[in-house]
Parts: sequence; structure tokens; C-alpha cells
Amino acid sequence: NAGVTQTPKFQVLKTGQSMTLQCAQDMNHEYMSWYRQDPGMGLRLIHYSVGAGITDQGEVPNGYNVSRSTTEDFPLRLLSAAPSQTSVYFCASRGQGAPSGANVLTFGAGSRLTVL
Amino acid sequence: ILNVEQSPQSLHVQEGDSTNFTCSFPSSNFYALHWYRWETAKSPEALFVMTLNGDEKKKGRISATLNTKEGYSYLYIKGSQPEDSATYLCASMKTSYDKVIFGPGTSLSVIP
Repeated sequence: NAGVTQTPKFQVLKTGQSMTLQCAQDMNHEYMSWYRQDPGMGLRLIHYSVGAGITDQGEVPNGYNVSRSTTEDFPLRLLSAAPSQTSVYFCASRGQGAPSGANVLTFGAGSRLTVL
Repeated sequence: ILNVEQSPQSLHVQEGDSTNFTCSFPSSNFYALHWYRWETAKSPEALFVMTLNGDEKKKGRISATLNTKEGYSYLYIKGSQPEDSATYLCASMKTSYDKVIFGPGTSLSVIP
């Protein structure tokens, strides 16, 4: 049982380049989400999805795009990378509905992105 | 309270001290409150999820309480150890299908 798998673990981009961070989970979780780690601000929600075909914006969606064509996968696309997008990105998933214990997030290992 | 807030921002304690932090969250439309432990260079890991007013949860030396009417939760660590050094995050949910929004975290350093 792999849990939540993120790739790549590390990536360096030049300003203006685009790329996709991949996230896959094998727990049949309906809910998937992307966070970025910002110093002093903890984890900020970028986008989330409550099921295949459904996505919504989080706290900091600008510059990012997502899609959810399957239950398992939730890729995050950087459309035109900027230095302000240098961060560590975490994908997380959870079950929904009762019991509430199923609602805790399971995180991937993180993807460190540097934009020059 | 409109957002999830945590205090203090950081804390330095001596090994063996007991400590506690606060998480404040919107008390209206409350469904669940989560606590996570986040060690440097690792991924956050869930500690507790609480839903009922007056809930108390315990895992080893760490415990948490919940007051949904006034919108706060306390996390307690008894007899802090260096391995407890981490950032502790809380997050609230308004429904079982809601997005999970985190507070800024409390960074704990336990000095041997």
C-alpha cells in the first residue's frame, strides 16, 4: 500500500517554464489537495478536489492549474513558473463522510521546486 | 474568528517541561478539528481528529481538548523530549466534505 506518491521529488525550473507535479493515491480517497509550504505561514491550500471531475480553488490558486480525471490522480500544473513559486509542495488525500477519523489527511513526501 | 489561528508562533522549552499550545477556529458550522505533527524535512502526520464539544484525545504524552462552542482546542505535551521538536499544525473543517485549511502552526523546540 503506497499511500500518496508525489513525483518528482526535486525540480529546478527557469522563469517562464511550465511543468506538472504528479500526485497519485491508492487508498480510494475521494478528496485530494495540493498545499505549498511557506515560511511562517505553514501550509497554504492551492487547489482541492472532492471527487473525479470536480476541482475548486484554495487560498493561493493563482499561477496553478489542476484537473481530476480519475479518483487516483491529481496533477498540479505550473503554467509559467515564477521565483515566487519556489517552495515545497505537498499533495494530500483523505476519505470523506463518517467516521470522522477517516477525514485525516495523508500526505505525500513533498516536491521541492526551485524557480530561477 | 474567521480563520484558523495558533499561538504561540514558537516555543522553546527545556527537556522535561510540560507545555501547551492553542488553536482557535470559527465556531460556526463546525464539523471537525485536526492536529498534525510536522518534523523538519518530513511530511505532516495526523495526531488527532476531534468532533464533539468536550472531546479529549490522548496519544502517549500528547493530549488535546476541544471546545466547539467558543472555538478553541488545546494541545498538551507532558514531559517534553527532544524528539517532540516539530511544528504542530491544527486545521478545521465545516463539513465532512469541506476543504482543510491549516493554521500557521506552533514551532516547538525542546532543549536537552
